[in-house]
Amino acid sequence: RKEVEQDPGPFNVPEGATVAFNCTYSNSASQSFFWYRQDCRKEPKLLMSVYSSGNEDGRFTAQLNRASQYISLLIRDSKLSDSATYLCVVSYSTLTFGKGTMLLVSP
Amino acid sequence: NAGVMQNPRHLVRRRGQEARLRCSPMKGHSHVYWYRQLPEEGLKFMVYLQKENIIDESGMPKERFSAEFPKEGPSILRIQQVVRGDSAAYFCASSPLGQGAYEQYFGPGTRLTVT
Repeated sequence: RKEVEQDPGPFNVPEGATVAFNCTYSNSASQSFFWYRQDCRKEPKLLMSVYSSGNEDGRFTAQLNRASQYISLLIRDSKLSDSATYLCVVSYSTLTFGKGTMLLVSP
Repeated sequence: NAGVMQNPRHLVRRRGQEARLRCSPMKGHSHVYWYRQLPEEGLKFMVYLQKENIIDESGMPKERFSAEFPKEGPSILRIQQVVRGDSAAYFCASSPLGQGAYEQYFGPGTRLTVT
């Protein structure tokens, strides 16, 4: 089983759509959880940290279920500029990245 | 506050040559991490360093790869006798505190092409 698994994608959605990304992780001792965003041929950029209580930042909502070892990211009212690859990241002593799910938002 | 700096941004080496990649962390950050991203693959952790210390090198290939973070100057990732399979994007990240519990901020990466 891979350490961090994400939906393979790509996700093609129209502007304004709501899209959800799922992620599971295998190390139950993982301490911290993040979503990063990576644009084509650019560096990953932190989108948001993920907390057990769930957290929201504008159109983005992240959820963590430690019992199920499951993380999600919900994007509401998608914009063209949301097109990118979304990386689920789990930390124990170092960061472990999923392969990412590509999102393509079309007009 | 300047972000993480990496140079060169692009590096072309012939097989058998050496590649040196440099990383300067964000101001105030003393923890540096190196990652490799092969084409169509996710980022893979290579090594975690603090000033003058290698903390975790569990992701480093056993041969030809080494890393340092001297007291003065940038962190260096060194690849000796490069092979075509070393072609990848190498990203450096830094954080103010370590142990992976804190967000890491990435540099723009060095794209290594081995011909």
